[in-house]
Amino acid sequence: QQQVKQSPQSLIVQKGGISIINCAYENTAFDYFPWYQQFPGKGPALLIAIRPDVSEKKEGRFTISFNKSAKQFSLHIMDSQPGDSATYFCAADNAGNMLTFGGGTRLMVKP
Amino acid sequence: DVKVTQSSRYLVKRTGEKVFLECVQDMDHENMFWYRQDPGLGLRLIYFSYDVKMKEKGDIPEGYSVSREKKERFSLILESASTNQTSMYLCASSYPTGRFYNSPLHFGNGTRLTVT
Repeated sequence: QQQVKQSPQSLIVQKGGISIINCAYENTAFDYFPWYQQFPGKGPALLIAIRPDVSEKKEGRFTISFNKSAKQFSLHIMDSQPGDSATYFCAADNAGNMLTFGGGTRLMVKP
Repeated sequence: DVKVTQSSRYLVKRTGEKVFLECVQDMDHENMFWYRQDPGLGLRLIYFSYDVKMKEKGDIPEGYSVSREKKERFSLILESASTNQTSMYLCASSYPTGRFYNSPLHFGNGTRLTVT
């Protein structure tokens, strides 16, 4: 049973568009929500993360929106670029370094 | 720059073989992890280790064991490989919580194992 559900599984966006990936969780004890980015042939790498005491965190073109009451969080990629094409994983952590990952979203940004 | 090195990029093994996947990190990280990556299922934790000679089961430990004799090295062992263990295996390392709170995981590039 997946404790973190991620959607969509795949996403195609035109260059310059907004990419949105959604995640929902069940365990209210989760207290840290990172997103990892994985390029083909590479391992995942931390992209951006948020704690539940804030509703939004922005780093450049990447924004996490967090809705604690709905137990949902999402990644928005503004002005999507072909170089953003990758697989994105949301995750949730309870008490440190025991990450539970979502199923992943394969993003393709078309030129 | 943190480097996590997995010994093989691709492996092909036969059913019933004993398989060793090796991982080495160069950042003196206390924590090391083995994940399995399958399409649609994301990354699932097999085993992790917080210290030398210490190991804890993750979410899917059945059919696997691990060894951590040195701080920098963490090995995943498939005692008798089966076709349902065909997958991408990812090793990761990190500092422990409390030293660098929610320290990010640093992943290797993975070993794609095929069991025939």
